[in-house]
Amino acid sequence: DTAVSQTPKYLVTQMGNDKSIKCEQNLGHDTMYWYKQDSKKFLKIMFSYNNKELIINETVPNRFSPKSPDKAHLNLHINSLELGDSAVYFCASSQDVTGQDYGYTFGSGTRLTVV
Amino acid sequence: SQKIEQNSEALNIQEGKTATLTCNYTNYSPAYLQWYRQDPGRGPVFLLLIRENEKEKRKERLKVTFDTTLKQSLFHITASQPADSATYLCALNNAGNMLTFGGGTRLMVKP
Repeated sequence: DTAVSQTPKYLVTQMGNDKSIKCEQNLGHDTMYWYKQDSKKFLKIMFSYNNKELIINETVPNRFSPKSPDKAHLNLHINSLELGDSAVYFCASSQDVTGQDYGYTFGSGTRLTVV
Repeated sequence: SQKIEQNSEALNIQEGKTATLTCNYTNYSPAYLQWYRQDPGRGPVFLLLIRENEKEKRKERLKVTFDTTLKQSLFHITASQPADSATYLCALNNAGNMLTFGGGTRLMVKP
């Protein structure tokens, strides 16, 4: 059983389009995250939700809007896609906001390519 | 500014040797530090967590040390195997408990 699943795995789209990435976790975790990994492999936090409530919103363009319909799901919607949005986006979850003891569980990533 | 630095150059070692990876940080006061493994095309996988009041943590062939004075963590893999080849990331929490990652070090274990 996949613990944190993201769809789609690959996404190729044109500049200016709007796209969504879905994430679901079946671990019963309270906290979920979106990270962006750029071409230099740095993982940067974008958003964090705890029990459907936004707790972290890093400096991310407001074209990016997360939505958490319940604590098992955290989706990412991106408007007006730009070339610089091309990256791998990872969803992750943790038992609580501290992520202690068991760390974060990551999905396998969504490779977004904007052309 | 806050930084988490890992050697960006790949570490090449021979099978059976001990691999040692370094994580240095500045302008953080983390309560704990974590290490992850990332394989190509996959998400990071949690390996170990060490708290600020712990000097050393072990799990099977893995050992992590944490020196809050030097602001450094060392990650050791003993009796390394080709299957250990991957990128290893360190991560620590900032004041908001947000986990911040270093850039990772790629380890190549040659048979």
